[in-house]
Amino acid sequence: DAKTTQPTSMDCAEGRAANLPCNHSTISGNEYVYWYRQIHSQGPQYIIHGLKNNETNEMASLIITEDRKSSTLILPHATLRDTAVYYCIVDPGTASKLTFGTGTRLQVTL
Amino acid sequence: DGGITQSPKYLFRKEGQNVTLSCEQNLNHDAMYWYRQDPGQGLRLIYYSQIVNDFQKGDIAEGYSVSREKKESFPLTVTSAQKNPTAFYLCASSIERLAGGANTGELFFGEGSRLTVL
Repeated sequence: DAKTTQPTSMDCAEGRAANLPCNHSTISGNEYVYWYRQIHSQGPQYIIHGLKNNETNEMASLIITEDRKSSTLILPHATLRDTAVYYCIVDPGTASKLTFGTGTRLQVTL
Repeated sequence: DGGITQSPKYLFRKEGQNVTLSCEQNLNHDAMYWYRQDPGQGLRLIYYSQIVNDFQKGDIAEGYSVSREKKESFPLTVTSAQKNPTAFYLCASSIERLAGGANTGELFFGEGSRLTVL
């Protein structure tokens, strides 16, 4: 199963774009990339997912490189409420094999 | 509104006592999961169930038990055999697809239950 590598922590100023990178160099051709976030002491929340194309929704944008070995989650205008741990996950096709690592702790500051 | 509900949110128990954590969903999802999270760590899978009356061990099942008598319910019992039960427990559900097929779809998580064993 493909594993992911994320920076341990990042800071971002409020109102700026937060760009969270993720490496998944062993991803297979039919495996999706998912992003979740977990605000302190709450359950993780789904953000976005993609396979090959870039994706955008009301929360974020997902940029996947052409070789699919890495991706970037973009929060276009970060707010204090975006402070959370962000998990990048490769979906092997069955949720029982999903692996949640330690993610990236994003701190949004004034 | 549809969602997944865990209770209780906080629970204190004495060492050696069994504890049951509740998880209910009204999303009509077939699959349900229990994860454990320790401070500063990721999520580890305890048990999962893909259909009623069937469940499978995850990566850290020892000292835990589950049942899946109804589609909407997946309670977790932390037994006295669990050596270090103090943790944050998360329940989730999803529309499970067959292995090797398309993506699983998003997991919907409850708000978690924080268990402290004194």
